[in-house]
Amino acid sequence: EAQVTQNPRYLITVTGKKLTVTCSQNMNHEYMSWYRQDPGLGLRQIYYSMNVEVTDKGDVPEGYKVSRKEKRNFPLILESPSPNQTSLYFCASSPRPDQPQHFGDGTRLSIL
Amino acid sequence: DQQVKQNSPSLSVQEGRISILNCDYTNSMFDYFLWYKKYPAEGPTFLISISSIKDKNEDGRFTVFLNKSAKHLSLHIVPSQPGDSAVYFCAASPSGKTGGFKTIFGAGTRLFVKA
Repeated sequence: EAQVTQNPRYLITVTGKKLTVTCSQNMNHEYMSWYRQDPGLGLRQIYYSMNVEVTDKGDVPEGYKVSRKEKRNFPLILESPSPNQTSLYFCASSPRPDQPQHFGDGTRLSIL
Repeated sequence: DQQVKQNSPSLSVQEGRISILNCDYTNSMFDYFLWYKKYPAEGPTFLISISSIKDKNEDGRFTVFLNKSAKHLSLHIVPSQPGDSAVYFCAASPSGKTGGFKTIFGAGTRLFVKA
């Protein structure tokens, strides 16, 4: 089954404690993205990747890092999380940027 | 500055009637537009798309219209069904030639279809 898998689904943590949200896709897609969803703001792109070792900033990259060492994986790293990063996060992938994206089920992060 | 705007946070429609969801954009570099549907506790799922070289695309009950001169697109659902109740996001992406490869989403419109 074609899918995008994110882990964890839920996480409550404290300010400053580094965390990683993993994302994996099994469709051999080249384009992968991370988004955050906040009330009234919709989905905002954090980072995207065109292929292995090729990443670029989206609209809200501050406070986040990503890496793309393998085609299937695109982890999101919060080196020093802060409360304003409390949000619902989605990973997505597609064959190309101008094609429909497949989304994971989301990760709800709460930073206290 | 929001480049993709969905000005109606919510819309309520009677079952069997037409639902019209609207989306405006500001960046003329966008050349591919998509609509996604999202249920609670799930990720968005792709619904329908349209390229900037077209002005209409239809898929079953769903039709998307694009007016490039007005920088406006709309999603029509006919007839609306209770299962269509969800949040609908409009999204736009540029060609990449000069616009980069970001995808920009609107804030979403919550559709309620009453039985």
